[in-house]
Amino acid sequence: GENVEQHPSTLSVQEGDSAVIKCTYSDSASNYFPWYKQELGKRPQLIIDIRSNVGEKKDQRIAVTLNKTAKHFSLHITETQPEDSAVYFCAANNYGQNFVFGPGTRLSVLP
Amino acid sequence: GAVVSQHPSWVICKSGTSVKIECRSLDFQATTMFWYRQFPKQSLMLMATSNEGSKATYEQGVEKDKFLINHASLTLSTLTVTSAHPEDSSFYICSAKYRNEQYFGPGTRLTVT
Repeated sequence: GENVEQHPSTLSVQEGDSAVIKCTYSDSASNYFPWYKQELGKRPQLIIDIRSNVGEKKDQRIAVTLNKTAKHFSLHITETQPEDSAVYFCAANNYGQNFVFGPGTRLSVLP
Repeated sequence: GAVVSQHPSWVICKSGTSVKIECRSLDFQATTMFWYRQFPKQSLMLMATSNEGSKATYEQGVEKDKFLINHASLTLSTLTVTSAHPEDSSFYICSAKYRNEQYFGPGTRLTVT
């Protein structure tokens, strides 16, 4: 089955700096890779996703890159703000199959 | 669109009692819903996959007789924690699939005293 690893487990950055979180997956059949943001005590919210036929996707300060050959994908947050502080989860899925989540990265943006 | 609700948002119960948590898809039909458990500062752990009209599929290590799942309609799945114990205290989150994306409910914080 699919296995998703995520690094780092914790990340602290200064406000305005960039943050990068990396995930690797094991199942080459996976073709959908979403990223979720979870604030304390709240539900995970989808913030960006990428499909296997695309190498990069950007939405304002957030971007995701995918390297299918290496089976890894990354979340990039630029110009970080305190409200970006949260736990971020990556996931991988093959259409119709269950999502497998990474262990999460706790991001702290220091003012 | 694609809103998932969950009720209750928090519940406190005594050890040995049962608690039912509801998960509803409000504006779409969900043939598949998922139940997760999340301990503090940990990731989402899939407990079971709930399929409308059929038995739930439980992940390894999850007791099906303790965590009863019923997916009675295309918009409602319920999780019943039977004979709850303090170690069952956790944050339980459901999600529903819509067009191969997962949408999460707001979660239920269960505290067993």
